[in-house]
Amino acid sequence: DSGVTQTPKHLITATGQRVTLRCSPRSGDLSVYWYQQSLDQGLQFLIHYYNGEERAKGNILERFSAQQFPDLHSELNLSSLELGDSALYFCASSATGSYGYTFGSGTRLTVV
Amino acid sequence: EDQVTQSPEALRLQEGESSSLNCSYTVSGLRGLFWYRQDPGKGPEFLFTLYSAGEEKEKERLKATLTKKESFLHITAPKPEDSATYLCAVLYTGTASKLTFGTGTRLQVTL
Repeated sequence: DSGVTQTPKHLITATGQRVTLRCSPRSGDLSVYWYQQSLDQGLQFLIHYYNGEERAKGNILERFSAQQFPDLHSELNLSSLELGDSALYFCASSATGSYGYTFGSGTRLTVV
Repeated sequence: EDQVTQSPEALRLQEGESSSLNCSYTVSGLRGLFWYRQDPGKGPEFLFTLYSAGEEKEKERLKATLTKKESFLHITAPKPEDSATYLCAVLYTGTASKLTFGTGTRLQVTL
């Protein structure tokens, strides 16, 4: 157990639907990062939050959004889902001043 | 464009057969290079961080080294449990804390 908790582990949904992925960072970590991993593109950075504030954005689609709450957990919202959104979505956290990430076990999203 | 390239894409070794994985990068202002291990369907697990050319880190059968343009992950006398995908990532100036990952090397160690 890495200390980073992601739920749900698996999600199967239909095209056009909306889903929410949840992440609880390691205790004490203020930074949360979201990555998408698909077979052909490896780990792609989506977004970074630090203590509730957005710090950096990657190639995140407009259909995707995220937030970090006062208790530091984060949610990634994916809407108008397409088949190509099927992937593993990972959350990672890090401590202030540390560059090393600790990853969660991921959410496998399947869009049918 | 800043890039991280890993080679080979896949590697099959017999138990005890040592080898090296390569990670080359073309980034400006490297602040750190990271190695992770990922098992199928699981999140990447941190192995090493290297910050400057000439630096080396070791852990059990793994040893990571860094030059100005590339890093090597040396695997000495591997065992079947070392089978996994090994990911390299870089952190460079101007990207806050965002890690840029390579696509990984899939290592299979057979008996």
